[in-house]
Amino acid sequence: DTGVSQDPRHKITKRGQNVTFRCDPISEHNRLYWYRQTLGQGPEFLTYFQNEAQLEKSRLLSDRFSAERPKGSFSTLEIQRTEQGDSAMYLCASSLSGVGGEQFFGPGTRLTVL
Amino acid sequence: AQTVTQSQPEMSVQEAETVTLSCTYDTSENNYYLFWYKQPPSRQMILVIRQEAYKQQNATENRFSVNFQKAAKSFSLKISDSQLGDTAMYFCAFRDNQAGTALIFGKGTTLSVSS
Repeated sequence: DTGVSQDPRHKITKRGQNVTFRCDPISEHNRLYWYRQTLGQGPEFLTYFQNEAQLEKSRLLSDRFSAERPKGSFSTLEIQRTEQGDSAMYLCASSLSGVGGEQFFGPGTRLTVL
Repeated sequence: AQTVTQSQPEMSVQEAETVTLSCTYDTSENNYYLFWYKQPPSRQMILVIRQEAYKQQNATENRFSVNFQKAAKSFSLKISDSQLGDTAMYFCAFRDNQAGTALIFGKGTTLSVSS
C-alpha cells in the first residue's frame, strides 16, 4: 500500500529521555504535516514541510521539539527531554501542494511518557 | 484566530437511521475549506467530505452530505442510512487558504451506531 506510514506505532519512554518518530508520506506528495492529538481532543497542528523546507511551526512546538525532512522524502520528529505532558498521539499527514490538496493521515505514533 | 466548535461530544443512532453532527467555526476570512474527517477506533483518520467556501452548493458523498451555512458559519454533517461501520470519532476541520495549509480541528463527536 502507498499510504502514509509511521514508525513506531507505540513508544513508551521515561521522563527525560529523547524519542524520535518517523513518517513516510505518500511518495508523490510534496507537503508533510505533523499534528499532536491528546485524549478527547482534535489534532493540533505542529509543523509542516514543503519538500525539504520547514515552512511553518506552531507555538506548540517548543525548543525540545525538532522536525526534519531531509531530501524532501521521509520526516522525523524528535522530542528531547520528554515530559509527561508530551504523552499524546503524534499524527503525520501528507498532501500535494495546491489549493485543494487533501491531507492523508498516517496511523499515528502513540507516545507514553512515564 | 480561527476556531472550530463541535458542541456534541457523543451521539448515538440506530442502523438505517439518519443523524446530523453539528459544527460551527469562526473566521474573518472569505476563502477557505471545511472538512469532515472520520477516525474509527484504533484506525487512521480519513476524509469524509470537503466543502469549498465559495461554492454555494452543499457537498455530497454517497450517504454523507453537509449543510453549509456560510453566513451563520455553520457546517453540519448528515449521515443517512447509518451503518455499523460509521461508528467513529468525527472531526470538523477548517483550513484558511490565505494563511497556510494547517488544518484546525474541533474536539470531535463520538458517533455510535447500534443494531
